[in-house]
Amino acid sequence: GAGVSQTPSNKVTEKGKYVELRCDPISGHTALYWYRQSLGQGPEFLIYFQGTGAADDSGLPNDRFFAVRPEGSVSTLKIQRTERGDSAVYLCASSQNLRDEQFFGPGTRLTVL
Amino acid sequence: DAKTTQPTSMDCAEGRAANLPCNHSTISGNEYVYWYRQIHSQGPQYIIHGLKNNETNEMASLIITEDRKSSTLILPHATLRDTAVYYCIVRVVGGGSNYKLTFGKGTLLTVNP
Repeated sequence: GAGVSQTPSNKVTEKGKYVELRCDPISGHTALYWYRQSLGQGPEFLIYFQGTGAADDSGLPNDRFFAVRPEGSVSTLKIQRTERGDSAVYLCASSQNLRDEQFFGPGTRLTVL
Repeated sequence: DAKTTQPTSMDCAEGRAANLPCNHSTISGNEYVYWYRQIHSQGPQYIIHGLKNNETNEMASLIITEDRKSSTLILPHATLRDTAVYYCIVRVVGGGSNYKLTFGKGTLLTVNP
């Protein structure tokens, strides 16, 4: 079946602009996670959702970052007033339940010029 | 979650077994050992996990020492497609726990022809 998909695959923006990154989880998966990966580093947790609610957003670096999952399926990660330091690969994962293994999407590579 | 220590890199000949070590000396009794891998330009991929018994699936075997302070992931017959960064992660799975994955830098396994 279809895996986790993320769009766009690449996003180039200018400093100060607003961006939205989309994640389509595996159908029926109740848990959804966002991670960020900088070059040469392992993925770093940002936020996760159980259903529509954010169960843990402790990894969001500051209030410029926000994520939603209004219908408990698709999620959007929103970044306001982007900075060059936001450049990274943003990964989304989903799992059937919180206890189960996480399946990752291919990521969105964000470049802030 | 407990911290893990892995070698930065390892090499393996194609067709031979790859044995990837991981130290997790501060692991708690309710923490599982998970292994993920990340092939270049892809999202992480779940491999296997275990609590204290050895585990085997179609991808790999996981050997956990009796004191649970270290483990070894075994790829029995490595192929060129197994070249990837391998992450060892310890994670609490249970009521009220935090379900995020905490990645380190992992081990870059290079399988040589």
